[in-house]
Amino acid sequence: ELVLTQSPGTLSLSPGERATLSCRASQSVSSSYLAWYQQKPGQAPRLLIYGASSRATGIPDRFSGSGSGTDFTLTISRLEPEDIAVYYCQQYGSSHTFGGGTKVEIK
Amino acid sequence: QVQLVQSGAEVKKPGTSVKVSCKASGYTFTSYGIRWVRQAPGQGLEGMGWISAYNGKTNYAQKFQGRVTMTTDTSTNTVYMELRSLRSDDTAVYYCARDTSGYHPWGQGTLVTVSS
Repeated sequence: ELVLTQSPGTLSLSPGERATLSCRASQSVSSSYLAWYQQKPGQAPRLLIYGASSRATGIPDRFSGSGSGTDFTLTISRLEPEDIAVYYCQQYGSSHTFGGGTKVEIK
Repeated sequence: QVQLVQSGAEVKKPGTSVKVSCKASGYTFTSYGIRWVRQAPGQGLEGMGWISAYNGKTNYAQKFQGRVTMTTDTSTNTVYMELRSLRSDDTAVYYCARDTSGYHPWGQGTLVTVSS
């Protein structure tokens, strides 16, 4: 089974800083079927990025995704206080699995 | 707008069953499958399986095979997920989500608490 490993586990940054979240797959993710989700406390997850780099409808352009094969990155260019959340990567190719999540907090 | 609305919280005893509903609106129901995902308290996301809203075909995660049944009702645009033989470690928030490029949108979640 394909395993997704996210790092770091927790990211503490100041508002306005750049956040870089990593997602590494145990084997190549087919056709970049890689998504990123944001989950705020007490809320359902929200799709941010699909196809590794395409922003979902209504997602601010400070969120961007990149990568291919086994290494993927979610970047928040300028951290806003409302970006405090847990971020999950997911592959939705041959099987559907989630990474363990990265918690983003304000320093 | 595209929306999935789930049924309310449930409290169940070990060994019993729970059936959670997910009502879709704002799109052609039969054009997309529905995924079920659960999240135990303080934990990550765990996929449970998929159902085609077009023909009812299912694909369950191996962990839940034999204990879960997903069904659809095209007359009401509703998908159901039934989990049987409940255990304490089935306590979780259960989400439905439309299966598109990624999962979008998600239902609001249904808390299922299993306790004696």
